[in-house]
Amino acid sequence: EVQLVQSGAEVKKPGESLKISCKGSGYSFTTYWIGWVRQMPGKGLDWMGIIYSGDSDTRYSPSFQGQVTISADKSISTAYLQWSSLKASDTAMYYCARLVSSCCHPFDFWGQGTLVTVSS
Amino acid sequence: EIVLTQSPGTLSLSPGERATLSCRASQSVTSSYLAWYQQKPGQAPRLLIYGASSRATGIPDRFSGSGSGTDFTLTISRLEPEDFAVYYCQQYGNSPGTFGQGTKLEIK
Repeated sequence: EVQLVQSGAEVKKPGESLKISCKGSGYSFTTYWIGWVRQMPGKGLDWMGIIYSGDSDTRYSPSFQGQVTISADKSISTAYLQWSSLKASDTAMYYCARLVSSCCHPFDFWGQGTLVTVSS
Repeated sequence: EIVLTQSPGTLSLSPGERATLSCRASQSVTSSYLAWYQQKPGQAPRLLIYGASSRATGIPDRFSGSGSGTDFTLTISRLEPEDFAVYYCQQYGNSPGTFGQGTKLEIK
């Protein structure tokens, strides 16, 4: 069974750093891409970026380039999303999701989401 | 970046009725690389339709997708109580793979 299990909810202060994770199982992690999708409170879905853990090829949406860092450790089938300095506007649910390739495939399996709350 | 506009914003229907949701793109979607997702409160999105008209694994046949170019439609032939949710379209032929703003399907 394909599973993407994300790390737990986080409460942080503005300016703090954060790294959340997404662990894949039930499939060959290194032959699929993992993407990150933001959902701000009461809002829609925002495509942030994707990574191929096989060679760490990473693509970012222009809206998120420079704002976050996406990485992966293929030895433990885990992808990461990190911030160096959080802002209140980073408060959102963050989902990881699997896709077959960087182009031309949808997100076919999703993690359960990680809620990030940034508040002073 | 391709902008997707979904309409209506909210659709109020009764169980058993037919639902028609629209997704319009700001430019032609490459090779009909258009997906539909369903999201229920407190849950992650779920893939329903890909390639504009192909149902994902395990999706009931009351869900169907159609369209090409810039205009796409998700149709739910006979609404079941569990179908009331928010629906998003997404194009994935151009990077970034943008989403529409969503249509909320609510019980009338």
